[in-house]
Amino acid sequence: AQSVAQPEDQVNVAEGNPLTVKCTYSVSGNPYLFWYVQYPNRGLQFLLKYITGDNLVKGSYGFEAEFNKSQTSFHLKKPSALVSDSALYFCAVRDPYSGAGSYQLTFGKGTKLSVIP
Amino acid sequence: DTAVSQTPKYLVTQMGNDKSIKCEQNLGHDTMYWYKQDSKKFLKIMFSYNNKELIINETVPNRFSPKSPDKAHLNLHINSLELGDSAVYFCASSPGTGNTDTQYFGPGTRLTVL
Repeated sequence: AQSVAQPEDQVNVAEGNPLTVKCTYSVSGNPYLFWYVQYPNRGLQFLLKYITGDNLVKGSYGFEAEFNKSQTSFHLKKPSALVSDSALYFCAVRDPYSGAGSYQLTFGKGTKLSVIP
Repeated sequence: DTAVSQTPKYLVTQMGNDKSIKCEQNLGHDTMYWYKQDSKKFLKIMFSYNNKELIINETVPNRFSPKSPDKAHLNLHINSLELGDSAVYFCASSPGTGNTDTQYFGPGTRLTVL
């Protein structure tokens, strides 16, 4: 079964500093990985995804994520945090080799990012 | 832009009532989903429909019944509401059932059962 872990419930970072939100996954084969952001009282917005190819994926709003197969990680990063980046971030995984469940997206529990002015 | 829209945004009701949440997408997608987000923000798939046919049905009480009149709509009907049903329900859609497909989410419906 596929699973994803976000080890930090909350991440605090000063505005202008780099930020990292951690995600590790577990699947039987090669994973498809996604990051979503949820602003207060809003739906989830897609940020980026890794399917294949370059391990560094660039997405919306200056975010990027690095796929590391040996560490089974897909950490979300941004070089310079903005106060407006404060939100709840979800990592999600899909295992394309899991048969009937291969189209199912499994989400982590979310990490609350607070960017301090 | 209202690519995936849900109504109502808020729903407050008494235990035992029956209620429906509607979802519509104007993206031309073939696949739609319902997710439940609990008070701890944990997000879990409930159902998925592809071209009006059920393809995912997770372990959800049979009081929950999805209905897809056409591929642009996926409604969620809940019978005999219970306190534990209080949550935010998100509708989502994706182009198809392809493994690489991105899911796009609606704004959510906050259901409160009193």
